[in-house]
Amino acid sequence: GENVEQHPSTLSVQEGDSAVIKCTYSDSASNYFPWYKQELGKRPQLIIDIRSNVGEKKDQRIAVTLNKTAKHFSLHITETQPEDSAVYFCAASKSSASKIIFGSGTRLSIRP
Amino acid sequence: NAGVTQTPKFQVLKTGQSMTLQCAQDMNHNSMYWYRQDPGMGLRLIYYSASEGTTDKGEVPNGYNVSRLNKREFSLRLESAAPSQTSVYFCASSLSGDTQYFGPGTRLTVL
Repeated sequence: GENVEQHPSTLSVQEGDSAVIKCTYSDSASNYFPWYKQELGKRPQLIIDIRSNVGEKKDQRIAVTLNKTAKHFSLHITETQPEDSAVYFCAASKSSASKIIFGSGTRLSIRP
Repeated sequence: NAGVTQTPKFQVLKTGQSMTLQCAQDMNHNSMYWYRQDPGMGLRLIYYSASEGTTDKGEVPNGYNVSRLNKREFSLRLESAAPSQTSVYFCASSLSGDTQYFGPGTRLTVL
């Protein structure tokens, strides 16, 4: 079945710097790749997603890139702020499936 | 719209007790899911329901049962709670298996 690996498991960056989180997936049929942010004690919430017919998508300070050939996708956060501190999960799914597969999560800390 | 709601928010059980976690969504979604999240860990799928009338096992189904009561509601039952089931339980729903919307979670402690 599908497997999603996420790296790093923890990441600490200086406020204002950029953060990059990477994921790889195993099923070449996967075509939908969402990213979720989970603040401490809260529910996971979708922050951005990308479909396989697109290579890059941006939304203000966050962007996601997809390399279908290499089967990996990445989350980029620029100009990091304290409120970006959270756990981030990547995920992958395919049209024929009824569930998505989550990565193991990255705990991002922003140093003041 | 309330989105995805869960009850209760908190629960403490003794080993061997049973309980049912309730989940409801008002987004007319077809698919619903139950996850557990242990402290500092990721999301593990317990059971899911791709559509009304169907349920399937996820990654960690042992010790749990589910019921898709109707399109809106999906309940999770612990028949005989064990300390290993202490966790935060999230319900989620999606229209067609892609974007999932999560409920606020239920914090369960089994003593």
